[in-house]
Amino acid sequence: DTGVSQNPRHKITKRGQNVTFRCDPISEHNRLYWYRQTLGQGPEFLTYFQNEAQLEKSRLLSDRFSAERPKGSFSTLEIQRTEQGDSAMYLCASSLVGGTGDNQPQHFGDGTRLSIL
Amino acid sequence: SQKIEQNSEALNIQEGKTATLTCNYTNYSPAYLQWYRQDPGRGPVFLLLIRENEKEKRKERLKVTFDTTLKQSLFHITASQPADSATYLCALPSGGSYIPTFGRGTSLIVHP
Repeated sequence: DTGVSQNPRHKITKRGQNVTFRCDPISEHNRLYWYRQTLGQGPEFLTYFQNEAQLEKSRLLSDRFSAERPKGSFSTLEIQRTEQGDSAMYLCASSLVGGTGDNQPQHFGDGTRLSIL
Repeated sequence: SQKIEQNSEALNIQEGKTATLTCNYTNYSPAYLQWYRQDPGRGPVFLLLIRENEKEKRKERLKVTFDTTLKQSLFHITASQPADSATYLCALPSGGSYIPTFGRGTSLIVHP
């Protein structure tokens, strides 16, 4: 299966530590998205890349969060100085660009569950 | 910005019945609307997309309708099975961005 892959699946860390997650999208997909999801809520958009360019960032993405997609393939999401409120599932998705209104469906990974102690 | 409303209460139905889930939005009609399925501990899986100029879309036992007058989409699963039990999310672009915003989802529980 060559779907979207996220690592690690689970991360437990102490408050104040830095964490980094990795996402490997479907290889031919040029768009890559990061979302955050908490219990009982839908995924909340954080940021997205088209190839290596970061085109949009949500107001949810504080300056402690940084995302990169250096070669337009895999992406990393780093959270610095983690806080209790950062505990959530971090989802990555990829898609193709195209179609009217950029309505291409997103293919999601199974996420990284972050727990802050 | 667009507000997306999905029933937060779980929908419980008997196997074999038709499940109907609702997605309402508050402002302008989006160019498209998507439905996803999400199982516990997994990422969402795309099911269907319907465009603003389409009234209905079908895929096997699934049917989606889009009523821009009511600002509502309905998602139907006919002949439901226990394996259909999951959370169903609707998503549509909002705030001038093409990036879809997700509703909170509705949990469907199909009883054998």
